[in-house]
Amino acid sequence: AQSVTQPDIHITVSEGASLELRCNYSYGATPYLFWYVQSPGQGLQLLLKYFSGDTLVQGIKGFEAEFKRSQSSFNLRKPSVHWSDAAEYFCAVGGWGNKLVFGAGTILRVKS
Amino acid sequence: SQTIHQWPATLVQPVGSPLSLECTVEGTSNPNLYWYRQAAGRGLQLLFYSVGIGQISSEVPQNLSASRPQDRQFILSSKKLLLSDSGFYLCAIKGTDNYGYTFGSGTRLTVV
Repeated sequence: AQSVTQPDIHITVSEGASLELRCNYSYGATPYLFWYVQSPGQGLQLLLKYFSGDTLVQGIKGFEAEFKRSQSSFNLRKPSVHWSDAAEYFCAVGGWGNKLVFGAGTILRVKS
Repeated sequence: SQTIHQWPATLVQPVGSPLSLECTVEGTSNPNLYWYRQAAGRGLQLLFYSVGIGQISSEVPQNLSASRPQDRQFILSSKKLLLSDSGFYLCAIKGTDNYGYTFGSGTRLTVV
């Protein structure tokens, strides 16, 4: 069965510091992986997605993620965090035509 | 492009009252539609999904029901709300690339 683990419930980083949010997945076939961001009281916005090919994918707002099949991971990174990045981040896994399964989310706090 | 409309944005309802949340979609036909709930401090839980008019699949037993009376309309209902039904409800549509989802802006439901 599909599952996603986001080990960190909360993360606090200083503005300008680098960021890495962890995501581990379990999926029986070639996974399709996603990162979404949710600002308070809002819907979810897609940051980036991985289907195949280059394992380092670039997304919006300066985010990138790296797919590591051997570690079943798809960690999200940003070299320099801005205060506006404070939000909740969700990793998700699915396949063609399949339902997406989401992780529990990681809340990012940015301190100035 | 696909757009999703959800209303109302916020709702406060007493215990035992009925519920109807509506989601409508534009820019596509015969979409796969999904209702998710996000409870405080928890991830996204898939409640229902629909692959066509009148076709509803329930993921978890609960006090809620869903209907799809038209191709681009998805309704979440309850006859009698419970306190535990409080949460943030999100409608989603499968993307045109058939992998990721696009989410609506959500409805914050508080049952008092």
